[in-house]
Amino acid sequence: DGGITQSPKYLFRKEGQNVTLSCEQNLNHDAMYWYRQDPGQGLRLIYYSQIVNDFQKGDIAEGYSVSREKKESFPLTVTSAQKNPTAFYLCASRSSGRYTNEQFFGPGTRLTVL
Amino acid sequence: AQKITQTQPGMFVQEKEAVTLDCTYDTSDPSYGLFWYKQPSSGEMIFLIYQGSYDQQNATEGRYSLNFQKARKSANLVISASQLGDSAMYFCAMREANRDDKIIFGKGTRLHILP
Repeated sequence: DGGITQSPKYLFRKEGQNVTLSCEQNLNHDAMYWYRQDPGQGLRLIYYSQIVNDFQKGDIAEGYSVSREKKESFPLTVTSAQKNPTAFYLCASRSSGRYTNEQFFGPGTRLTVL
Repeated sequence: AQKITQTQPGMFVQEKEAVTLDCTYDTSDPSYGLFWYKQPSSGEMIFLIYQGSYDQQNATEGRYSLNFQKARKSANLVISASQLGDSAMYFCAMREANRDDKIIFGKGTRLHILP
């Protein structure tokens, strides 16, 4: 089945540690996105990538880093510089075709900093 | 300035009634797309419906329809014959062609369907 997988589903981290969230898609989509969601809030864009080896900062990129070495993969690293990293993280992908509109989401990773 | 505004933080609706979730947006780009997503308590984001800025007719998908009023910059979601399983968070979102096709989200409306 085609789709987006995120792992792990739950992640616990000690303060001061970096942690990497995985996002893999087998939909052959060009564009991939990382969002952060806080309780009772909408989604805020962290980083996005429209093509391999290229990515851009979203609205809240500080304290995060990404890479896009393969079309299928877009891992997000939450660094110790992120002051309040506890949140729900959602990865998404979209085909860049002119008539494609839907953005597909993964199941999310819930990160808790202890 | 907020690009997507959802003014209803929460709504309670009786089962089988129709419900309208409000969404207004702000853009100067003539080419844009509007989306609605559903997020159940499990956290997954489920795509419901899409409306393009140049689409002549309002989008419909089963029990979902989008009431698109371009001049008012309004894109309300209408759910007909609501069901208990419709209880969830609903997000309105917009993609602007001149902004790298980024999709930005509103803060959401939590819908409760009452039996």
